[in-house]
Amino acid sequence: ETGVTQSPTHLIKTRGQQVTLRCSSQSGHNTVSWYQQALGQGPQFIFQYYREEENGRGNFPPRFSGLQFPNYSSELNVNALELDDSALYLCASSLGGVPSYEQYFGPGTRLTVT
Amino acid sequence: RKEVEQDPGPFNVPEGATVAFNCTYSNSASQSFFWYRQDCRKEPKLLMSVYSSGNEDGRFTAQLNRASQYISLLIRDSKLSDSATYLCVVRFTMDTGRRALTFGSGTRLQVQP
Repeated sequence: ETGVTQSPTHLIKTRGQQVTLRCSSQSGHNTVSWYQQALGQGPQFIFQYYREEENGRGNFPPRFSGLQFPNYSSELNVNALELDDSALYLCASSLGGVPSYEQYFGPGTRLTVT
Repeated sequence: RKEVEQDPGPFNVPEGATVAFNCTYSNSASQSFFWYRQDCRKEPKLLMSVYSSGNEDGRFTAQLNRASQYISLLIRDSKLSDSATYLCVVRFTMDTGRRALTFGSGTRLQVQP
């Protein structure tokens, strides 16, 4: 196991609602990246947090936002949910500044929007 | 055009077969390359990094051709346990100087007894 945990495991929401997903990074890792994986697709980069600041963002609208806390855990918030937001949301932790920079993925949160 | 393109498969092969997956990437500034394995409804896990000189890990061999922007993965003597989706992954540097990963859509492998 990677030591990266995510909660909840599964979630069902209605279109227009808001959702918060949580990620606890591996001990000692200061960087968390979030990815969205739609069915049949590879994970798509949403954004990355390093030392509590957003440090890069993929092609996702502002209704996707996040936070990183002093213990390096992180939240992903999605407002005004749309049906297309149904996906597996993965977080990955890593140790920023290290050349090897391997990302360790958590088990994901499966979000269904109805 | 997708930044990382893979044949989605599925590849259905018998046990013991040799199978090869290919991948192309569009960003010539890409720095590092990987193959990840993803089992059904699980998270991706790093299978191996890919180096220009080619590298091997047991039954798995990865190759990179920077000039053609092409990556390959060869699996020899396929096992039932190799059945999974194989994701071609490229690491790039963002404007912030931090690094993130771009994934292909994956190639599904089903090894049959």
